[in-house]
Amino acid sequence: GAVVSQHPSRVICKSGTSVKIECRSLDFQATTMFWYRQFPKQSLMLMATSNEGSKATYEQGVEKDKFLINHASLTLSTLTVTSAHPEDSSFYICSARGRDHPYEQYFGPGTRLTVT
Amino acid sequence: LAKTTQPISMDSYEGQEVNITCSHNNIATNDYITWYQQFPSQGPRFIIQGYKTKVTNEVASLFIPADRKSSTLSLPRVSLSDTAVYYCLVGDIYNNDMRFGAGTRLTVKP
Repeated sequence: GAVVSQHPSRVICKSGTSVKIECRSLDFQATTMFWYRQFPKQSLMLMATSNEGSKATYEQGVEKDKFLINHASLTLSTLTVTSAHPEDSSFYICSARGRDHPYEQYFGPGTRLTVT
Repeated sequence: LAKTTQPISMDSYEGQEVNITCSHNNIATNDYITWYQQFPSQGPRFIIQGYKTKVTNEVASLFIPADRKSSTLSLPRVSLSDTAVYYCLVGDIYNNDMRFGAGTRLTVKP
């Protein structure tokens, strides 16, 4: 089946710094990628949707200047959390949809971000 | 966007069949119903997807009545490893508008 990877799996950063999370589709071309955030004991909240080669579409309430999303190729999307604060600590999950299976979203394993 | 309502939690015992129902009264004509499973600190895993009637795969069945205002995920003979959160998503799969609801936390006991 289709595989999506994320790197790093865990990251700890100091308040005020920026951190980049990578999302890769390993064996398929991802025409659309999604980024979610999940707080403990809560559901996944969609942050943004990005199509390859175009700007991401952010959900209402998500600051696009704080959460920079780049979908530069058909296999890679990155989420950069800029000037991170402790309240940004969360579990970030990406998912991807490809041309061959346009009706399914394949999820990555998630990245645990802790801001100290 | 169709909103979904699921039970917050359910308990079951090993070997039993578990049915989780999701209500989606405002489902639109183009909306599909998709179920995902999530273990702690992992990404969701696709279980099953359907539009109407019944869909079955190697792990689950999905029952959708004619009015499509609800759906039921059926897990046959659950085991301890099926303890997880199960999410019902309803949306137009062609337009990237799938949203996660609150999910159902299933606990399987020995």
